[in-house]
Amino acid sequence: DAKTTQPPSMDCAEGRAANLPCNHSTISGNEYVYWYRQIHSQGPQYIIHGLKNNETNEMASLIITEDRKSSTLILPHATLRDTAVYYCIVRPVNTGKLIFGQGTTLQVKP
Amino acid sequence: GAVVSQHPSRVICKSGTSVKIECRSLDFQATTMFWYRQFPKQSLMLMATSNEGSKATYEQGVEKDKFLINHASLTLSTLTVTSAHPEDSSFYICSASRDSGTDGNEQFFGPGTRLTVL
Repeated sequence: DAKTTQPPSMDCAEGRAANLPCNHSTISGNEYVYWYRQIHSQGPQYIIHGLKNNETNEMASLIITEDRKSSTLILPHATLRDTAVYYCIVRPVNTGKLIFGQGTTLQVKP
Repeated sequence: GAVVSQHPSRVICKSGTSVKIECRSLDFQATTMFWYRQFPKQSLMLMATSNEGSKATYEQGVEKDKFLINHASLTLSTLTVTSAHPEDSSFYICSASRDSGTDGNEQFFGPGTRLTVL
């Protein structure tokens, strides 16, 4: 399975956009990019996923590079409640398993 | 929609006892459920995948006789930690998917169960 690399931590000012990068240089054509986040002592929350095209929903936008080797999760207007660990996961289409890495701890500051 | 619950949310037990954790999909039928374990300051580790009506598939290094998983219906999966010891103390989290989890469908996670073994 393709591995992902994320910065261990990032800060963002409240109200500004948070851009969380993820490197998945070994991704193959049949693997999705998923983003989840986990607020302290809670279960992970699904954010967004994509295969090739950029995606947007009410929570965030996912920008996937043309070669699919990296992606960026964008929270357009970060709030204090967005402080969490964000996980970028590459998942093969033939399995439902999610293998979590260490993620990025995003701290939104007032 | 797509709510997953776990019970209990927190449990403390004595060493040597068995503990059962329930995972329920409240508003959808979950063909597949997954169980994870998370130690403090660490990421989630997948323990096993369970499909309704069949035996669970365990990840490498997870003892199937110690962590018994039953997925008897499309809305309920249980994890039983048998003969629990202090090293089994952890945060146990389940997730559920409407299908096998493929084809881009997301998994929905429960709130987790904090197990403390004394």
